Amino acid sequence: QQQVKQSPQSLIVQKGGISIINCAYENTAFDYFPWYQQFPGKGPALLIAIRPDVSEKKEGRFTISFNKSAKQFSLHIMDSQPGDSATYFCAASINQGGKLIFGQGTELSVKP
Amino acid sequence: DGGITQSPKYLFRKEGQNVTLSCEQNLNHDAMYWYRQDPGQGLRLIYYSQIVNDFQKGDIAEGYSVSREKKESFPLTVTSAQKNPTAFYLCASSTGTGGFLVNTEAFFGQGTRLTVV
Repeated sequence: QQQVKQSPQSLIVQKGGISIINCAYENTAFDYFPWYQQFPGKGPALLIAIRPDVSEKKEGRFTISFNKSAKQFSLHIMDSQPGDSATYFCAASINQGGKLIFGQGTELSVKP
Repeated sequence: DGGITQSPKYLFRKEGQNVTLSCEQNLNHDAMYWYRQDPGQGLRLIYYSQIVNDFQKGDIAEGYSVSREKKESFPLTVTSAQKNPTAFYLCASSTGTGGFLVNTEAFFGQGTRLTVV
């Protein structure tokens, strides 16, 4: 059963633009929502994470928006740069950072 | 440097052969995990362990086995019963059950790419 749905599958953005990736979840028991960034041939690295007690979290150019009632959360990358080109995964877990349910991933390409 | 080390980076397996993937961490984390990644798909949990000498099946455990004899090590064996083993395998660790407001970030290794030949 797919519990975390991610869209779009791929995204092309011009340098300086805003990249937006969306995720929806089903299990209301989830209480930890991280985003991971993965470069080809490498392991994923945590980008930013949010708990459901806040609606937004910002770290530099990266912002998570969280809508608990809609069971949706999204990643916004402001001023996107070619170095941001990677695959991004949303995920969710219950009270445990490593036992994660992942979305399918979004391949982001930022054009110069 | 603290981190997670996976070896080998590339592994080739013949049909009917068992192979073991290594995962070592020096982060003093209690919990360790194995994920499988297929092209165009998210990561799927194979096995996880929250404490030494104990481990639990994840969503796709069939054809795999693990052991957790030391806190630092969590090797994964891909057995001949796994019918489609070609994939990118990722090991991770975290502090385990964190509870609210506790940082439970999962750190990933660099992966092992397994190919059946």
